[in-house]
Amino acid sequence: DIQMTQSPSSLSASVGDKVTITCRASQNIRSWLNWYQQKPGQAPNLLINGASRLQGGVPLRFSGSISGANFTLTINSLQPEDVATYYCQQSNDTPFTFGPGTKVDI
Amino acid sequence: QVQMEQSGAEVRKSGSSVKISCKTSGKTFYDHAVSWMRQTPGQRPEWMGRIIPLHGKTDYAQKFKNRVTLIADTSTTTVYLDLSSLTSDDTAFYYCAREASASFDSWGQGTLVIVSS
Repeated sequence: DIQMTQSPSSLSASVGDKVTITCRASQNIRSWLNWYQQKPGQAPNLLINGASRLQGGVPLRFSGSISGANFTLTINSLQPEDVATYYCQQSNDTPFTFGPGTKVDI
Repeated sequence: QVQMEQSGAEVRKSGSSVKISCKTSGKTFYDHAVSWMRQTPGQRPEWMGRIIPLHGKTDYAQKFKNRVTLIADTSTTTVYLDLSSLTSDDTAFYYCAREASASFDSWGQGTLVIVSS
C-alpha cells in the first residue's frame, strides 16, 4: 500500500496569514493527489484534484502544487471559515490512501 | 448538486453484520464508480472498496476483503455496503463517495455504526 505523510500535524495561524501544508507519498504517484477539507461533523469536501486543479466553488485562496516528491496545499490569506482538518489522498493505485491530516486553527 | 443520501445510524452486537445504503442519482449510478470509506474521530478516512454500479465490478481493500460486500441495485440506483463479523473496532462513521476525475467529488453525509459487545 502507498503510505501518505503530512506535515505539520497541526498549526495555528492568524487571519490573513499564508498557510502551507505538505504531503508526501511512499512511492511515485505522479500527479494523482487530491486535497480535502473536513470540518467537524461533516464529510470531507474535495478542494483540489490532480495535485493542482481547483474544484468549482472553492475559493481562489486555495491552491495546490508539486515540487519534486512534495505536494503542497497553500491557503493564501487564511479566513475564519478555513478552520478545519485537511487531508491529502493518493489515487494512483488502490487501496486509495489518505494522509494523517493537518488541523488548522486560528 | 450531486446527491449521495445514506441510511441512518445503526447499533449492532459483536459478531453480527450491518448493511448501509447510499442512494445516488441515475447519472452517478451509471457514469461513476462509488467508493466507501470509514473514519473514526480524529483519524484519517480509510478506503474500504469501490463498485462500478453499471457493471457490478468491485475492488476491495485487502484488509476488508473477507468481510465486505458492495452491491448495486439498478432498480433504485442505490449502492449498499455489507460488513460482517463486526467487532468494536468497526465502530466508525461510514461514507459513500462518488469518484470523478480520480477523486471523491461528492460524499454522503455519513452513517454512524456502533458495535457493542
